[in-house]
Amino acid sequence: ETGVTQTPRHLVMGMTNKKSLKCEQHLGHNAMYWYKQSAKKPLELMFVYSLEERVENNSVPSRFSPECPNSSHLFLHLHTLQPEDSALYLCASSQVPGQGADEQFFGPGTRLTVL
Amino acid sequence: GQNIDQPTEMTATEGAIVQINCTYQTSGFNGLFWYQQHAGEAPTFLSYNVLDGLEEKGRFSSFLSRSKGYSYLLLKELQMKDSASYLCAVRDSNYQLIWGAGTKLIIKP
Repeated sequence: ETGVTQTPRHLVMGMTNKKSLKCEQHLGHNAMYWYKQSAKKPLELMFVYSLEERVENNSVPSRFSPECPNSSHLFLHLHTLQPEDSALYLCASSQVPGQGADEQFFGPGTRLTVL
Repeated sequence: GQNIDQPTEMTATEGAIVQINCTYQTSGFNGLFWYQQHAGEAPTFLSYNVLDGLEEKGRFSSFLSRSKGYSYLLLKELQMKDSASYLCAVRDSNYQLIWGAGTKLIIKP
């Protein structure tokens, strides 16, 4: 495996379900990100982890809970979601945020549908 | 508030040149990025500008004017595979990326 991988690629869940999204990066980066991408809207940054510590939480509802057990893995735990949470969830990684052209490498995303 | 503006959609002809504009108003500036995103795929990095001027990379070039809060992405010799969304993002004073909604580029034969 190379780059950034995400599983599952597609997920349909009811509002009372609990599920988790997984992201893994094989690039030796030490920062990882969760984004939400809705149609015709800008990417919304949800969480940032740098060196396994959360450094950003942009007022995301508590029904989204991130976990970063090590610098290569990132999870997003979901529970009691709402239909408006249906979107593409993208994971990305980079070197330490804010240093030079530290472009972010994105995974293919998880297409989430909440019924 | 912070804002990134770019056109929603543009159409161009195969073999031609197209310029996608991006204007921004952010709290501080620490670099501007362009990403390409094909439908159903992940965004991929295209270019980075932090100083004024033009950065050229093959068929793609990106320009920045910090005093005007303005950038453009120039695509030359358009190919059908260039049909995609192009995302402009600015890194603000907190080193957080602020993203535009993207410009969907449609290439016609």
